[in-house]
Amino acid sequence: EPEVTQTPSHQVTQMGQEVILRCVPISNHLYFYWYRQILGQKVEFLVSFYNNEISEKSEIFDDQFSVERPDGSNFTLKIRSTKLEDSAMYFCASSEAEGRYGYTFGSGTRLTVV
Amino acid sequence: ELKVEQNPLFLSMQEGKNYTIYCNYSTTSDRLYWYRQDPGKSLESLFVLLSNGAVKQEGRLMASLDTKARLSTLHITAAVHDLSATYFCAVVNTGTASKLTFGTGTRLQVTL
Repeated sequence: EPEVTQTPSHQVTQMGQEVILRCVPISNHLYFYWYRQILGQKVEFLVSFYNNEISEKSEIFDDQFSVERPDGSNFTLKIRSTKLEDSAMYFCASSEAEGRYGYTFGSGTRLTVV
Repeated sequence: ELKVEQNPLFLSMQEGKNYTIYCNYSTTSDRLYWYRQDPGKSLESLFVLLSNGAVKQEGRLMASLDTKARLSTLHITAAVHDLSATYFCAVVNTGTASKLTFGTGTRLQVTL
């Protein structure tokens, strides 16, 4: 069964450093998303991406965040200057037709900011 | 702003018993999803409900959607320990670019 692949699985970074989280969505999917989940809490939407541009973003997705699809397979989330409160599990997801057939989530990247 | 609430937040039940998790949402939507999450793991898709009256079943789990009442239920029949996990419902707000708004989650613990 096709999977959404995320790397790394765990990243520890110092406050103020830049991090890039990587995702390889399912190959025939056109819609891409990033979500985050702070430990023990619900899953929160960050950003959606379609046709090489951001479709929608949440209030969390401020100027410190950016997304990119640098080639035909990767989808990245960059946090420019990490804060302690950015510590969370970050999930990438993709869908074929705006979720009509569901959304597939990756295994997540646990980001720890120290 | 779309709000999605689940209850209960925590459910401890014995093996063999039946129970229902409820998911209420605040604005119009015709798409609702149920996910399972094991501790430290990703979100596993359980059900995709796309229309009013939709009912889907997989094993001991059955999900339904009532768009008029803005309510979905996840019914567990004869629970087994392997069903212990956190269950999330998620709703797509009509008119948005298909982002999911997640509920608070229901942590299910099935005891022997």
